[in-house]
Amino acid sequence: KAGVTQTPRYLIKTRGQQVTLSCSPISGHRSVSWYQQTPGQGLQFLFEYFSETQRNKGNFPGRFSGRQFSNSRSEMNVSTLELGDSALYLCASSLAGMDYNEQFFGPGTRLTVL
Amino acid sequence: SQQGEEDPQALSIQEGENATMNCSYKTSINNLQWYRQNSGRGLVHLILIRSNEREKHSGRLRVTLDTSKKSSSLLITASRAADTASYFCATAPISGSARQLTFGSGTQLTVLP
Repeated sequence: KAGVTQTPRYLIKTRGQQVTLSCSPISGHRSVSWYQQTPGQGLQFLFEYFSETQRNKGNFPGRFSGRQFSNSRSEMNVSTLELGDSALYLCASSLAGMDYNEQFFGPGTRLTVL
Repeated sequence: SQQGEEDPQALSIQEGENATMNCSYKTSINNLQWYRQNSGRGLVHLILIRSNEREKHSGRLRVTLDTSKKSSSLLITASRAADTASYFCATAPISGSARQLTFGSGTQLTVLP
């Protein structure tokens, strides 16, 4: 099976712009979660999508949003970019259900905000 | 916010030695997982231990969990240069989504050939 794929791998934007990141989960995985990784704050949960619905959201401002499509692919969007949004954004997919806690991570999208 | 801290922040050992990393967390958990990350790339799942388990093995990995102390340790035996990476513990909450993981701050392991 192909792993989790994320596009683009690298992105450079300027303050005030918006950005959309894409994640394709492993075939058959219906849950997609997003995490932000920065040197200062470490790995932080952004949100989780399952069956095209946001199930959980971390402590991030409303500028961070996402969605999931019927094929389980997910996108996250960050509007009005700030310098502090520079980070590695990781997507993880997993099977649904309490027994399937193992998450498979993609390679990440490195976002740089200038 | 991060669940807790990992100790040490950095560890440097010789190939063939054992490496031990510790993780502390703050709230009650359903399970605790360990992940490895190579140089700013994606995370690789290593092992999961449930809250009612005390010890688990997988190949050269041994994980212990002490829920009374809210702590876990990861032991890598007979380390190899390829084990050089950052190691993170992550906890799944006892209520809510099992997939909303809270990560520790990580331990940077360097294995010298």
